Amino acid sequence: AQSVSQHNHHVILSEAASLELGCNYSYGGTVNLFWYVQYPGQHLQLLLKYFSEDPLVKGIKGFEAEFIKSKFSFNLRKPSVQWSDTAEYFCAVMGYSSASKIIFGSGTRLSIRP
Amino acid sequence: GAVVSQHPSWVICKSGTSVKIECRSLDFQATTMFWYRQFPKQSLMLMATSNEGSKATYEQGVEKDKFLINHASLTLSTLTVTSAHPEDSSFYICSASLHGPGYTFGSGTRLTVV
Repeated sequence: AQSVSQHNHHVILSEAASLELGCNYSYGGTVNLFWYVQYPGQHLQLLLKYFSEDPLVKGIKGFEAEFIKSKFSFNLRKPSVQWSDTAEYFCAVMGYSSASKIIFGSGTRLSIRP
Repeated sequence: GAVVSQHPSWVICKSGTSVKIECRSLDFQATTMFWYRQFPKQSLMLMATSNEGSKATYEQGVEKDKFLINHASLTLSTLTVTSAHPEDSSFYICSASLHGPGYTFGSGTRLTVV
């Protein structure tokens, strides 16, 4: 069965610190991987997605993620965070067909100290 | 492109009444739409997959008689919460896809049952 694990429930950083949020998935086949962000009071927005191209994926707002197949991981990174990055971040996995459903991780709350 | 509109954005209803939530794909046709539920400070839980012209596929533990899904056209899916109770209060989110993976999410509907 598909599953996604985000081990960090709450991460607190100071501005300009580097960020890495962990994401591990379980799925028996080729996958698509996503990172979504949910700012306070807003709906989900797609940060970046992996669709079997370059394993290092660059997204919006300076975020990137690296797909490491041998580790079943898709960690999210940003070299220097800003206060405006305070949000909830969700990793998600989906099988490789147009009708597959997206399964979300439990989310990581990121708090940035100004 | 790929905009999903959800209506209403919030609704308050009395216990025992039914509430209908609409999900529309504005600039594309979606043969498949998904309904999620998000509890406060938690991840999105997939409730059901809505297929145009056929019955919805419900996830384990979701009562199909309580959460009625209708996908009568390629641009509209509806979720009706029947005989709502306070424990049904939640944030309901729909998503839809173009041809292939990668989903767009609606802005969500906050349901409060009093």
